[in-house]
Amino acid sequence: EVQLVESGGGLVQPGGSLRLSCAASGFTFSDYHIDWVRQGPGKGLEWVGRSRKKASSYTTEYAASVKGRFAISRDDSKSSLYLQMNSLKIEDTAVYYCTRKGNGMDVWGQGTTVTVSS
Amino acid sequence: EIVLTQSPDTLSLSPGERAILSCRTSQSVWRRYLAWYQQKPGQAPRLLIYGSSNRPTGIPDRFSGSVSGTEFTLTISNLEPEDFAVYFCHFYGTSRTFGQGTKVDVK
Repeated sequence: EVQLVESGGGLVQPGGSLRLSCAASGFTFSDYHIDWVRQGPGKGLEWVGRSRKKASSYTTEYAASVKGRFAISRDDSKSSLYLQMNSLKIEDTAVYYCTRKGNGMDVWGQGTTVTVSS
Repeated sequence: EIVLTQSPDTLSLSPGERAILSCRTSQSVWRRYLAWYQQKPGQAPRLLIYGSSNRPTGIPDRFSGSVSGTEFTLTISNLEPEDFAVYFCHFYGTSRTFGQGTKVDVK
């Protein structure tokens, strides 16, 4: 079964850090770009960033709202994607999804919840 | 930056009716990079349409997508009870942005 599973969410204070993980299975992880997308409470979807596949030189791209604070990395040998979040703000509170770029974003994880609060 | 504007914000319909959802882009975009997703409470989004009008395997044919200029349309013919949800359009080309969503609820 093709699957993405996020983990690592939790409660963190403003200014703190958190690292999310996304474990892939059922497909060749190294063949795909993978995005992080978040959804604040009662809000719509917001693209956070992208990790491109090896054939695209593993480049990354970020939304303006997180650039300089968040960093995406991947380990193809573990079929895993990571999101390092630093200098967290209250407005970063959201469910974070990892999602695969196939034809459209065709596979989504179940999400992991990040709450930034004092 | 490309902005996607969905309308209406809420669509109140009855089972069996047809839903027509609009997504207008702020500039001309490649049709091959426009998708639609369905999201139910507590669930991840689910891909319904990619490349403006293509359905992934397993998506019922009552869901269809079309485009005219900068207006993309998702049509759900003959609404089933499980279709009442929020729908997002998404441009996944050189910039990646989502519409704000349209909620289809029961009239």
